[in-house]
Amino acid sequence: DTAVSQTPKYLVTQMGNDKSIKCEQNLGHDTMYWYKQDSKKFLKIMFSYNNKELIINETVPNRFSPKSPDKAHLNLHINSLELGDSAVYFCASSQEVSASGANVLTFGAGSRLTVL
Amino acid sequence: KNQVEQSPQSLIILEGKNCTLQCNYTVSPFSNLRWYKQDTGRGPVSLTIMTFSENTKSNGRYTATLDADTKQSSLHITASQLSDSASYICVVKWMIPGGYNKLIFGAGTRLAVHP
Repeated sequence: DTAVSQTPKYLVTQMGNDKSIKCEQNLGHDTMYWYKQDSKKFLKIMFSYNNKELIINETVPNRFSPKSPDKAHLNLHINSLELGDSAVYFCASSQEVSASGANVLTFGAGSRLTVL
Repeated sequence: KNQVEQSPQSLIILEGKNCTLQCNYTVSPFSNLRWYKQDTGRGPVSLTIMTFSENTKSNGRYTATLDADTKQSSLHITASQLSDSASYICVVKWMIPGGYNKLIFGAGTRLAVHP
């Protein structure tokens, strides 16, 4: 199946731990994203990578570090987890590179992170 | 401030009925506006994408309208089905001066269709 797949789907961990969420897309897209959906259900961009290069880096704590080993993968590593990091994290991909394309984002199913 | 506001926050309708969801935005300049459907526990799925020059676009029982002058959009669902129960998210693509785009998401309208 062509899709954006992210693992794990659920992650429960203690404050202070380090954890990673993995994302893979087999759609051949050039651009991948990480979004955070908070309790108010707003989706907010965190990072965007195009062909393994960072092109958007929103103001997120340095504890969050994306890593893109190749253009089909964009992993999110989080150090020293805090209670406020609890949210659903969505990976997405698209083919658009430039500013004016009407690209469609394909989202993964989300990874629900709970920090205790 | 670039914002996308949706109303109502939640909506309950009976199966077979029609409904209209609203989206107002202050994003400028904007490139396009899209509506996504997000089922519980799933990622958003695109329904429609409209550029500023398009007034209406349909996708099956979903019809989106856009008034770029008043910065308003609506999503009309006809003959609702139980499977339409989901959150509907309005997303506006903001053309950031300098080259990048950014998608600004609304908080969504939670629709529940009851038999």
